[in-house]
Amino acid sequence: SQQGEEDPQALSIQEGENATMNCSYKTSINNLQWYRQNSGRGLVHLILIRSNEREKHSGRLRVTLDTSKKSSSLLITASRAADTASYFCATDAEGNNRLAFGKGNQVVVIP
Amino acid sequence: EAGVAQSPRYKIIEKRQSVAFWCNPISGHATLYWYQQILGQGPKLLIQFQNNGVVDDSQLPKDRFSAERLKGVDSTLKIQPAKLEDSAVYLCASSSRGGRQGANTGELFFGEGSRLTVL
Repeated sequence: SQQGEEDPQALSIQEGENATMNCSYKTSINNLQWYRQNSGRGLVHLILIRSNEREKHSGRLRVTLDTSKKSSSLLITASRAADTASYFCATDAEGNNRLAFGKGNQVVVIP
Repeated sequence: EAGVAQSPRYKIIEKRQSVAFWCNPISGHATLYWYQQILGQGPKLLIQFQNNGVVDDSQLPKDRFSAERLKGVDSTLKIQPAKLEDSAVYLCASSSRGGRQGANTGELFFGEGSRLTVL
């Protein structure tokens, strides 16, 4: 299946530290997206990176994509307590209109 | 701009009963998705509409789940009869892109979800 698999599953860090999450996938993609979900809420889109892009920035977020390794990473710099959430990667596979989500990373930022 | 609206937010039913969820997408968004999210897992696509046509329902348990999108706007998802394993959050999302073969999926906008508990 075209689901992303995030690693690590749970991360606990101090406020101000950086948080890094990885995602791997299995087939060729059009793009890869990262979403955040606060407890009990819907998902919020963070960033989209196309298959021909290698790195993208948005505020304190940095996403990299390595299509040869079929992997992506999400870096949150200078984390804040408000960054406490679950983070999901989702892949838009070539030839498939379905956006498939991974299992998610739970990040806890300790004030 | 109003976001994706879903109702009800919470529903508790007994197994074998029926339940319906409603979704109103962002105005002008042609593509609408229903996802099922079981506790501790990522969302799983149940059905995807492009306007009022079904693009993908391959993961919809059609013996008990049904969905429709009237006039290409609002959508309802029904479960009848419910089973214990249907306990989950049902998320509706919409997008201005995607849904057609060859069209890449862009950003999805999600509603707050409808949490179903089946006893």
